[in-house]
Amino acid sequence: EAGVAQSPRYKIIEKRQSVAFWCNPISGHATLYWYQQILGQGPKLLIQFQNNGVVDDSQLPKDRFSAERLKGVDSTLKIQPAKLEDSAVYLCASSLLAGYSNQPQHFGDGTRLSIL
Amino acid sequence: GQQVMQIPQYQHVQEGEDFTTYCNSSTTLSNIQWYKQRPGGHPVFLIQLVKSGEVKKQKRLTFQFGEAKKNSSLHITATQTTDVGTYFCAGPSGSGGSNYKLTFGKGTLLTVNP
Repeated sequence: EAGVAQSPRYKIIEKRQSVAFWCNPISGHATLYWYQQILGQGPKLLIQFQNNGVVDDSQLPKDRFSAERLKGVDSTLKIQPAKLEDSAVYLCASSLLAGYSNQPQHFGDGTRLSIL
Repeated sequence: GQQVMQIPQYQHVQEGEDFTTYCNSSTTLSNIQWYKQRPGGHPVFLIQLVKSGEVKKQKRLTFQFGEAKKNSSLHITATQTTDVGTYFCAGPSGSGGSNYKLTFGKGTLLTVNP
């Protein structure tokens, strides 16, 4: 089966600019996650979708970050305006079922974002 | 909120030596997952433990879940250079049903000297 697809792989922008990331989960996976991974740390959940509804966005900086999952398939994550501390790898993951805590998550290769 | 702590943060071993990383949660976990992330790669699911005191093996890797379901360990016997990477544990938090999320530890970076 095809894995989680993400684009772009790398992005370099200046602070205060905007950027968008795209994710296509594994076909048929109900749950989609966006994580932020800062160098040397574990992934931190930003937002979690079940189908096209948000179930957790408690750690999403909503003044600058937004995400959507239209039609319950692919998703975009946007940052506007970017700050220096947003430099990180943004990982998208998906899992098969909705509403279960024991679902393995399948990660994409991530987008490495550098803010100048 | 829930915290998941891992020690050590780094471990450097000679090839053939054993390696262990430990994971502790501030709350009781319904299950715990382990992931491996190779340098420059993405986390890859290794295993999930559910039962109190559970022990699972995958070739040279042995995973344990504590009796109180608040701690876990990963032990690698006779490390190889292919074991290099960061090992993360992750536990679910939330009120159950559909409202849960995985909290990842900071990981243990394993390097192996050939």
